[in-house]
Amino acid sequence: GENVEQHPSTLSVQEGDSAVIKCTYSDSASNYFPWYKQELGKRPQLIIDIRSNVGEKKDQRIAVTLNKTAKHFSLHITETQPEDSAVYFCAATYDYKLSFGAGTTVTVRA
Amino acid sequence: AAGVIQSPRHLIKEKRETATLKCYPIPRHDTVYWYQQGPGQDPQFLISFYEKMQSDKGSIPDRFSAQQFSDYHSELNMSSLELGDSALYFCASSLVGPSSYNEQFFGPGTRLTVL
Repeated sequence: GENVEQHPSTLSVQEGDSAVIKCTYSDSASNYFPWYKQELGKRPQLIIDIRSNVGEKKDQRIAVTLNKTAKHFSLHITETQPEDSAVYFCAATYDYKLSFGAGTTVTVRA
Repeated sequence: AAGVIQSPRHLIKEKRETATLKCYPIPRHDTVYWYQQGPGQDPQFLISFYEKMQSDKGSIPDRFSAQQFSDYHSELNMSSLELGDSALYFCASSLVGPSSYNEQFFGPGTRLTVL
């Protein structure tokens, strides 16, 4: 099955700085890569996703890049704000069930 | 917009008891997924249903079973509960098809505590 590794496990950034989270996946058949933001005790919420036929996607302050050859994808958050503090999960799938990374706890310092 | 509904939101059970969690997907979504999330962990896929048929199975214990009904709602049945079953259980739904992006929408979760 798919194995997703995510780094770093924790990330502390100054408000206004950028945050970058990186993930690698093992199954070259995976074709859909969503990113979820989860606040404590709440549901994972999709913030951005990318399919394997696209190399980069941007939505306001959030961007995701995908390198199929290297089997890695990254989340970039620019101009971080305190409300960006949460746990972020990357995921990968080729057959619809999601395999998640272990998560990154992002703390934005005011 | 309608979201995924889960009930109950909180459930407290004793060891060896049974529990039933319910999930109501977003209208017109044809696929339901169940995930288990332990404290400080990532969600782990348990099982999924497409058009009321089991479509995939993950790390679901034999003590657990699930089904999807004619109205597309799904139930996760858990028997002989163990302390380690204490977790957040999420249901997600999506619309699967050649023109869809398979975006999975998560419900609010059921927090199960086994004492």
